Formats: sequence, C-alpha cells, structure tokens
Amino acid sequence: GIQVEQSPPDLILQEGANSTLRCNFSDSVNNLQWFHQNPWGQLINLFYIPSGTKQNGRLSATTVATERYSLLYISSSQTTDSGVYFCAVLNQAGTALIFGKGTTLSVSS
Amino acid sequence: NAGVMQNPRHLVRRRGQEARLRCSPMKGHSHVYWYRQLPEEGLKFMVYLQKENIIDESGMPKERFSAEFPKEGPSILRIQQVVRGDSAAYFCASSRTGGFNEQFFGPGTRLTVL
Repeated sequence: GIQVEQSPPDLILQEGANSTLRCNFSDSVNNLQWFHQNPWGQLINLFYIPSGTKQNGRLSATTVATERYSLLYISSSQTTDSGVYFCAVLNQAGTALIFGKGTTLSVSS
Repeated sequence: NAGVMQNPRHLVRRRGQEARLRCSPMKGHSHVYWYRQLPEEGLKFMVYLQKENIIDESGMPKERFSAEFPKEGPSILRIQQVVRGDSAAYFCASSRTGGFNEQFFGPGTRLTVL
C-alpha cells in the first residue's frame, strides 16, 4: 500500500518564525489533505490539495504530484499554531485516507 | 452549516461492557468513514460506509467491532466486550460523494476503558 512519510517529526519555533513541513508519498494519489490536530485533539481541515498550490492566510500548501511530495508553509507562526500536523493521502481503492505520523510543532512566545 | 457531529465526546466503560459511538455526517454528505487514533500511534482507517452499505471494512478488527449507517439516523460504531487496548480516540469523517472528495472530520469520541 501507499507509504506516507512526514518530516521533520518535531519542530520548535519562536513566535514569528516561518516553517516548512514536508510530506512524501510512495505512489500517485488522487486526494491529499493536510490537517492540524490542536492540543484539544480536534482535527482541523487545512487543505485539500491533490496538486497545485493553495493559500489560506498565513498558511499555504503545494503538492507536486509527479514528484510525490507536498509542502505545508506556515509563516509568522503564532502560539495557536502549536499541535500536530498530519498529511493524508487516499489509498488506491479510493476508500480510505492513509495518514503520516505527523509533525509536532511547538511555538513559544 | 453544522459540521460532522459525534457523541458522546467522552465515554468511559469498564472491561467487558459495550461501547456505542455515534456520528452524524455533514448535511448533504452520504459517505462516512471511521478512524482510530491509539495512544502514541497515528490515525488508522477502520471502515467506510454509505447509507445501508459497508463499502470497505479492511481496517476493522475481526472480532467485537461492527459499524452501520442506517437509512435514517447516525452511523454507529459498536465495540462489544471492550478491553483496555480499545482505549483510543475514535474519529468519524464524512464526504459528499466518494473518497476522492475531501473528507471532513468530527471532534472525535475519546473512549477510556477501565
């Protein structure tokens, strides 16, 4: 099945810094999503981005499907950005999201 | 426009009891997915359902676990004779059509087995 790898596993930032999170996947995909799991455990949809580039405020994402990776950019980080960021891709059957292990981000003031 | 609803948000059961977790998809969504997040592990797919049909249950443990999505009412994930290893966060997601569309997640049900 498809393998999803995220890097780095952990990231510590000062407020105001920028960061790039990476997601590599082992096969072609039809669906890729980025999520933020906040400290209360809720999963927040960030981007649905099987290809191309999208931006939402301080966050943006790019997926290069032909090279099998996606990047999530966080600019001017805030303490509320802390949590775990997950990348997930759809399996070949089109029935389930396969999640990476996540990047744990800690932003301090 | 309400999102995916899950209840209860927290559930405590003693070993051997039954746990019932409920999920109401977003309005207009007819596809439901269940995922489990075990402590120190990632999110794992369990089952994918459409109204009255199980489409893919390849991630569901073979025993004690079942899921349904009836014609009327919420989707139910049922765990019989719970054991401590079932303690986890259970998330439900929904999509408007099949898996190629964006999946939206509920807040999760945190099950604790004493």
